[in-house]
Amino acid sequence: DTEVTQTPKHLVMGMTNKKSLKCEQHMGHRAMYWYKQKAKKPPELMFVYSYEKLSINESVPSRFSPECPNSSLLNLHLHALQPEDSALYLCASSLPGQRIEKLFFGSGTQLSVL
Amino acid sequence: EDKVVQSPLSLVVHEGDTVTLNCSYEVTNFRSLLWYKQEKKAPTFLFMLTSSGIEKKSGRLSSILDKKELFSILNITATQTGDSAIYLCAAYNNNDMRFGAGTRLTVKP
Repeated sequence: DTEVTQTPKHLVMGMTNKKSLKCEQHMGHRAMYWYKQKAKKPPELMFVYSYEKLSINESVPSRFSPECPNSSLLNLHLHALQPEDSALYLCASSLPGQRIEKLFFGSGTQLSVL
Repeated sequence: EDKVVQSPLSLVVHEGDTVTLNCSYEVTNFRSLLWYKQEKKAPTFLFMLTSSGIEKKSGRLSSILDKKELFSILNITATQTGDSAIYLCAAYNNNDMRFGAGTRLTVKP
């Protein structure tokens, strides 16, 4: 299994809703990432978990709340989002601590906030 | 401030043409330079470069890194319509992967 699986693929939510994005991998990777990508822009790093601990939080607003329940799962909890948060949210994983790093990306969740 | 700059931002060619995509970087604690192809959703991995002057090849694609001048190029020969995509380069340090803005390549029949 060399895949990173993200669900849902598409999500439409109102500004008062609470929703969660899910990401799963079974490659034994111990680093997992959330990226946000606006249209025609590069992916921007949001969070990094290394060995299930949050190691990087790139000044992301608190309305985005990550969670890493175990080494295979990564969630992103969403609450009170704004329309400008509409974007493609990409999850990725890698083997941390290796000399050579390579990210494996999921197919993303296309999020629309109304 | 760390940055990765790609050029051109957009490129339109015809099938059979050869293209060269450029990526320059200024990243502290640089470890590797990666190229990804993004067609619809997930970026897919193409190459990872860690040493200068060693060309990596995969079919019609090749890439090389110059750690002295801080840049990399991605070459695509005999382009096909299926090569149409956004090509992202990313510089990895000890903490994260910093992406360039990408080059949007369109290959016309």
